[in-house]
Amino acid sequence: AQSVSQHNHHVILSEAASLELGCNYSYGGTVNLFWYVQYPGQHLQLLLKYFSGDPLVKGIKGFEAEFIKSKFSFNLRKPSVQWSDTAEYFCAVNRNTGRRALTFGSGTRLQVQP
Amino acid sequence: DGGITQSPKYLFRKEGQNVTLSCEQNLNHDAMYWYRQDPGQGLRLIYYSQIVNDFQKGDIAEGYSVSREKKESFPLTVTSAQKNPTAFYLCASSTGTGLNTEAFFGQGTRLTVV
Repeated sequence: AQSVSQHNHHVILSEAASLELGCNYSYGGTVNLFWYVQYPGQHLQLLLKYFSGDPLVKGIKGFEAEFIKSKFSFNLRKPSVQWSDTAEYFCAVNRNTGRRALTFGSGTRLQVQP
Repeated sequence: DGGITQSPKYLFRKEGQNVTLSCEQNLNHDAMYWYRQDPGQGLRLIYYSQIVNDFQKGDIAEGYSVSREKKESFPLTVTSAQKNPTAFYLCASSTGTGLNTEAFFGQGTRLTVV
């Protein structure tokens, strides 16, 4: 079965610190990879996505992620976080065979302290 | 505006009662999904539908039922057989279920059993 693992459940950072959230998936075939963000009281929004091509993907609000196929990883990064980045972040995977729906990780709650 | 509308935003149910959550989209998407979100568990797939009059079980379908009689609508019924229904429910849609498609999410319905 396909699974998605997010290693950090709760991360606390100070403003201007760098962020890296880990995401690994278990499926070996062709995949699409996503990071979604859920700000307090708001709906789930897409931060960035990888379909194919350049493995370094840039998203909104200064976020980026790197797809490393050999490591089955898609880690999310931001050089300098802001208080407004406080939210829950979800990694998700989709593939073209088997069950055709997004599989999500358990989420990482990011708390940025001013 | 195009989007996904879930209603109601908050729902209270007595134990033993069935309740139906509404999800409507005007994005002309073929595929629709229902996820359940619980703290620390991410989003888990309940049911999904790739096309009208067709749907498949996800990872946690027990105690839930769906219908897909119209392209724009995918209601979810939480039955009395669902042992722990208190959760946040998210509906999503996408143009298809293969690779290179992106899912869009509604605002969610928070169901509480009293």
